[in-house]
Amino acid sequence: DVKVTQSSRYLVKRTGEKVFLECVQDMDHENMFWYRQDPGLGLRLIYFSYDVKMKEKGDIPEGYSVSREKKERFSLILESASTNQTSMYLCASSRGYNEQFFGPGTRLTVL
Amino acid sequence: ILNVEQSPQSLHVQEGDSTNFTCSFPSSNFYALHWYRWETAKSPEALFVMTLNGDEKKKGRISATLNTKEGYSYLYIKGSQPEDSATYLCAHDNAGNMLTFGGGTRLMVKP
Repeated sequence: DVKVTQSSRYLVKRTGEKVFLECVQDMDHENMFWYRQDPGLGLRLIYFSYDVKMKEKGDIPEGYSVSREKKERFSLILESASTNQTSMYLCASSRGYNEQFFGPGTRLTVL
Repeated sequence: ILNVEQSPQSLHVQEGDSTNFTCSFPSSNFYALHWYRWETAKSPEALFVMTLNGDEKKKGRISATLNTKEGYSYLYIKGSQPEDSATYLCAHDNAGNMLTFGGGTRLMVKP
């Protein structure tokens, strides 16, 4: 059974903290994605990686960075968390241009 | 502003009713159109990935059609069941492998 896992389901952080969200997939997919989901705005792409150490900015990369040191792991980093980064964060992976497989999501609250 | 639009935003139907929703997307630079189902407290799951104009795909009671020339796709559910209650997302791929999602249609099926 294919699986995408995320390190936390719920996370509460303070403004200014550095936050790491981890995502791991066991399907040997080359593509991995980070999205955030906010009411009324749909899923919006933050960053995309198509190979180890490769990354592309999505629609809303400001305030975020990513790291892909191993094929199965894709990390999203909030260098200095702000309240407007309170959101649901979803990781996904895919092979080629096929359907994406999503993780369970991390609901991040920044106080 | 989303350039992938879904309507309606929400829908309440009775068990046994058939229903359909619409996804409209830019007809230029089209590669694929994805449909996902997102149940509460679960991860989004792929329903269909469609690439050809006129394509029609079916999975059980759910089917989808695609018109790439005019930029729309319909999702149909025949004989809705309470377990069909979910948010249905469509996403446009313009061949960059970066999906642009619509805001979703939230379907609630009353027993």
